[in-house]
Amino acid sequence: DAKTTQPPSMDCAEGRAANLPCNHSTISGNEYVYWYRQIHSQGPQYIIHGLKNNETNEMASLIITEDRKSSTLILPHATLRDTAVYYCIVPIMDSNYQLIWGAGTKLIIKP
Amino acid sequence: DTGVSQNPRHKITKRGQNVTFRCDPISEHNRLYWYRQTLGQGPEFLTYFQNEAQLEKSRLLSDRFSAERPKGSFSTLEIQRTEQGDSAMYLCASSRGAGNNEKLFFGSGTQLSVL
Repeated sequence: DAKTTQPPSMDCAEGRAANLPCNHSTISGNEYVYWYRQIHSQGPQYIIHGLKNNETNEMASLIITEDRKSSTLILPHATLRDTAVYYCIVPIMDSNYQLIWGAGTKLIIKP
Repeated sequence: DTGVSQNPRHKITKRGQNVTFRCDPISEHNRLYWYRQTLGQGPEFLTYFQNEAQLEKSRLLSDRFSAERPKGSFSTLEIQRTEQGDSAMYLCASSRGAGNNEKLFFGSGTQLSVL
C-alpha cells in the first residue's frame, strides 16, 4: 500500500499557483518525500524531493511541515502544459528504497 | 544525457505469444527498474537491477515474466505466453543508485496490447 494520501483531482486556473497537498503521516525520520508527474502517454518525470527543509528548483517548490507528516507541492505559475497526474511518494527503506505509487492527483489547468 | 530509451513504443500481440521489450538506460546509471502501469493507476514495481544483478523481484510477478541486464547496460523484459491481463504500459527507469536520495529517470514506456 502507498504510504501517502493525495486528493484524486484538482483544478487550477492558468497563471495561478497550483498547490498540491500530500499526507505522509507514517514517514520515518530519514525518509525523503518525492514528487513526480506524468503527462498523458509519457513516462513519469521527476519534479523535486526533500527531507526536512523546504526545497525549490526551476520546476516547483516543496513545503514540508515541521512534523514532516504532510507536504505541499507548489507550481508557482501554472500553465496548460502542467496538466498531468502528480504523484507524492515516500520510498520504502526496507525494500531497497522501492517506490510505491498511489493513484496520484490529476491536476487540470484551465484557461 | 540522452535519456532512457524504450523499444518498441507499442506492441500488439495475440494471446499466447511471447514478447520482448528493450530498455536502454542513461549511461553510467547502475540501477535499472521495470514497472507496469494500467489505466488510472500509478506504476507498479516489477523488478530492479544493480548493474547486472537482479536484486529484487515483485512477489506479484508471474514466472512468465523474466528480465535480464547483461553486462549491466541495456535490459530486456520478456513475457511468455501472454494473457489479456498483461495488457499495460511497461515502464523502464534508471538511476545512479544512491540509497534513498536518488531520482529515477523514466522512459516513455512500451504499450502492450494482448488480443
